[in-house]
Amino acid sequence: QQQVKQSPQSLIVQKGGISIINCAYENTAFDYFPWYQQFPGKGPALLIAIRPDVSEKKEGRFTISFNKSAKQFSLHIMDSQPGDSATYFCAASILTGANNLFFGTGTRLTVIP
Amino acid sequence: NAGVTQTPKFQVLKTGQSMTLQCAQDMNHEYMSWYRQDPGMGLRLIHYSVGAGITDQGEVPNGYNVSRSTTEDFPLRLLSAAPSQTSVYFCASSRDRNSPLHFGNGTRLTVT
Repeated sequence: QQQVKQSPQSLIVQKGGISIINCAYENTAFDYFPWYQQFPGKGPALLIAIRPDVSEKKEGRFTISFNKSAKQFSLHIMDSQPGDSATYFCAASILTGANNLFFGTGTRLTVIP
Repeated sequence: NAGVTQTPKFQVLKTGQSMTLQCAQDMNHEYMSWYRQDPGMGLRLIHYSVGAGITDQGEVPNGYNVSRSTTEDFPLRLLSAAPSQTSVYFCASSRDRNSPLHFGNGTRLTVT
């Protein structure tokens, strides 16, 4: 049973456009929501993360929007660039636990020049 | 600073063979964990360790063993490989429970 559901599975965006990836969770004990970026042949790398006490976090062109009541969070990539082409994973964990992440199934983003 | 180092990068096994996937980190991190990545399923936790001498099971532990005799190393052992264990395996570490996970570059394992 997937604890974190992610959509879409794949996404194609024109250069300069906005990429949006959505995730949903059921376990209300989750209190840490990171996004990881993975390039082919590499391990995932932390991109940005949010805790549920805020509704939005922005770092450069990357923004997480968080809706606690709906148990949903999303990643927005503004001004998408070809170098952003990668697979993106949302995840969730419980901070008082052992730092074990539950991952979504991933979104393969392709940014067309 | 090498970070998290996984060896080998690629491995082919026959059904029933055993092997050990190596993971080492040089960041003095307390937390280490193993995930497997399968198409359409994301990454799933196999085993984890919160410090030397302490290990515990994750979401999909069957068929795998771990030990943590030192802070630096966290090997993953496949006891009797099965085709269902064909996957990409990632080792990760973090300084503590509130710190980001750092992943290695993975080991791609094929079991025939």
